[in-house]
Amino acid sequence: GNSVTQMEGPVTLSEEAFLTINCTYTATGYPSLFWYVQYPGEGLQLLLKATKADDKGSNKGFEATYRKETTSFHLEKGSVQVSDSAVYFCALRGTGNQFYFGTGTSLTVIP
Amino acid sequence: EPEVTQTPSHQVTQMGQEVILRCVPISNHLYFYWYRQILGQKVEFLVSFYNNEISEKSEIFDDQFSVERPDGSNFTLKIRSTKLEDSAMYFCASSDQDLGNTEAFFGQGTRLTVV
Repeated sequence: GNSVTQMEGPVTLSEEAFLTINCTYTATGYPSLFWYVQYPGEGLQLLLKATKADDKGSNKGFEATYRKETTSFHLEKGSVQVSDSAVYFCALRGTGNQFYFGTGTSLTVIP
Repeated sequence: EPEVTQTPSHQVTQMGQEVILRCVPISNHLYFYWYRQILGQKVEFLVSFYNNEISEKSEIFDDQFSVERPDGSNFTLKIRSTKLEDSAMYFCASSDQDLGNTEAFFGQGTRLTVV
């Protein structure tokens, strides 16, 4: 079946630190992979996506590469800002309608 | 920028009562979804809806739950006879396509607390 395992939080980093949030998946077929972000009081917003192996999704300085050989889609950012404080969700979508989400990782960036 | 809106943002209800969670999807979207997240757990799929009928549902979505698109703009989730374990954040989502590589747009969620 389909599932996503995400690095547990919470994560606290200083401003300008390097961020990695690990995400691995199990899927039948060839899913698309997504990172969503939820800022306080807001909905889940698409951060980036990758639809096939070796694709790299990127947005707002965040990147993630679809690695089929390691079934991973780790989120990275070279220099985080206070405004990046949010909850980050890794997700996959297979051939059906459903998204399969991880538990979410809370990130707090301190000045 | 178009967005999915959900009301209310927080709902407190007594066990055994019925609640209706409301969502206004993005206006030109055709596919609608409900998800929920129990505190500390994964975001779980409940149901998808297209062309005025359920297209897929999870095993969570039993007879206690129902969805409806009563007019051209609203999409509702009704929970009958609520239980303590229904307490969760409920997310509505919509998309314009049903392809695996298409993202869904999510609302800000309704936090349901059953007491």
